[in-house]
Amino acid sequence: DSGVTQTPKHLITATGQRVTLRCSPRSGDLSVYWYQQSLDQGLQFLIQYYNGEERAKGNILERFSAQQFPDLHSELNLSSLELGDSALYFCASGRPPGSEQFFGPGTRLTVL
Amino acid sequence: QKEVEQDPGPLSVPEGAIVSLNCTYSNSAFQYFMWYRQYSRKGPELLMYTYSSGNKEDGRFTAQVDKSSKYISLFIRDSQPSDSATYLCAMNSGFQKLVFGTGTRLLVSP
Repeated sequence: DSGVTQTPKHLITATGQRVTLRCSPRSGDLSVYWYQQSLDQGLQFLIQYYNGEERAKGNILERFSAQQFPDLHSELNLSSLELGDSALYFCASGRPPGSEQFFGPGTRLTVL
Repeated sequence: QKEVEQDPGPLSVPEGAIVSLNCTYSNSAFQYFMWYRQYSRKGPELLMYTYSSGNKEDGRFTAQVDKSSKYISLFIRDSQPSDSATYLCAMNSGFQKLVFGTGTRLLVSP
């Protein structure tokens, strides 16, 4: 158990809908990273938050947004969902100066 | 060209074999190197973490980094069926996003 929690485990929804994925980092970790894993793209970085502030953006679509709250949990919002958004979404947490990241169990999103 | 290249496998070995997994990379700024193990549809589990060049050993696992060749390896001794999983190399240049290889699927048969 990495100490990172994610909810829900599974989400099944329809195209055009909006969903929210939630992540709680390990105790003491101030940074949260979101990654998307699809069969053909591997693990792709989406966005990083550090102590409530956006720190870095990767290949995140404009339809996607995220935030980190004062209690350090983070939410990833996906809107106007398309079939191609079906993937595993992972949250990871870490703390400086270390570079290692610890991953949660993921949320499997299926868009029908 | 991808920043990190990794043979997707599958790599099939008998129980007890020594397994060698490798990645190459192109970005010379990478300083921190990690190996993750991922069971099917589960979260990646951090196995090894190495800074710069050199070797690191943890039980049956040894990680090697050769920055001059931009080449990293993970060796698994006395492989077990429970080691069957996908192994992902990952790296970064500091407190920031990880860049992953595509993963190598390992199958260890009894």
